[in-house]
Amino acid sequence: QSVLTQPPSASGTPGQRVTISCSGSSSNIGSDTVNWYQQLPGTAPELLIYSNNQRPSGVPDRFSGSKSGTSASLAISGLQSEDEADYYCAAWDDSLNGWVFGGGTKLTVL
Amino acid sequence: EVQLVESGGGLVQPGGSLRLSCAASGFTFSTYWMSWVRQAPGKGLEWVANIKHEGSDKYYVDSVKGRFTISRDNAKNSLYLQMNSLRAEDTAVYYCARENSSPNAFDIWGQGTMVTVSS
Repeated sequence: QSVLTQPPSASGTPGQRVTISCSGSSSNIGSDTVNWYQQLPGTAPELLIYSNNQRPSGVPDRFSGSKSGTSASLAISGLQSEDEADYYCAAWDDSLNGWVFGGGTKLTVL
Repeated sequence: EVQLVESGGGLVQPGGSLRLSCAASGFTFSTYWMSWVRQAPGKGLEWVANIKHEGSDKYYVDSVKGRFTISRDNAKNSLYLQMNSLRAEDTAVYYCARENSSPNAFDIWGQGTMVTVSS
């Protein structure tokens, strides 16, 4: 059971907009920033969104993040086949004194 | 090129030990916190441990406390994870990751090394 809660799966057709939610608590998302990681099949994770809504250099602006209270979300607009991957949210937990991840959401592009 | 390369994974019997290494290059290793993150087969990511720049502060996930030890050698630009009393549930790909303080995120990941605990 992951500390952060994500839906196990999401899907959309090319060009659509999809959102992935991430729910936490006051000791993690409620008190710290949220990061999102993308893991393409068979590869290591990569940083996709940091500090709730910032994109590292090279990440398309189709990807956006937001946070409100103890929840966060990742939105992908103009869905493309290469977006098919697993997506993880993460935050530092002040009570556990450690990083916590969501269980991951597998995105399928239909 | 900024790079992290893990090594040391393999097959080990329950109760055994293994030491993972992570070689860093392309950045000033001694100025970053570093972490180990693992991923069991078909499962999600789980943070394992991290260590401060000079090695004074270390944090662990509860499930590995007392069994795993994270360490670093800044002169060798290397991160380590000593794993003792290994259990079947420790079977996973182990990634080393750089923690950037600004932003506070894992911004560089290695390719991972597989650890299998089985008799």
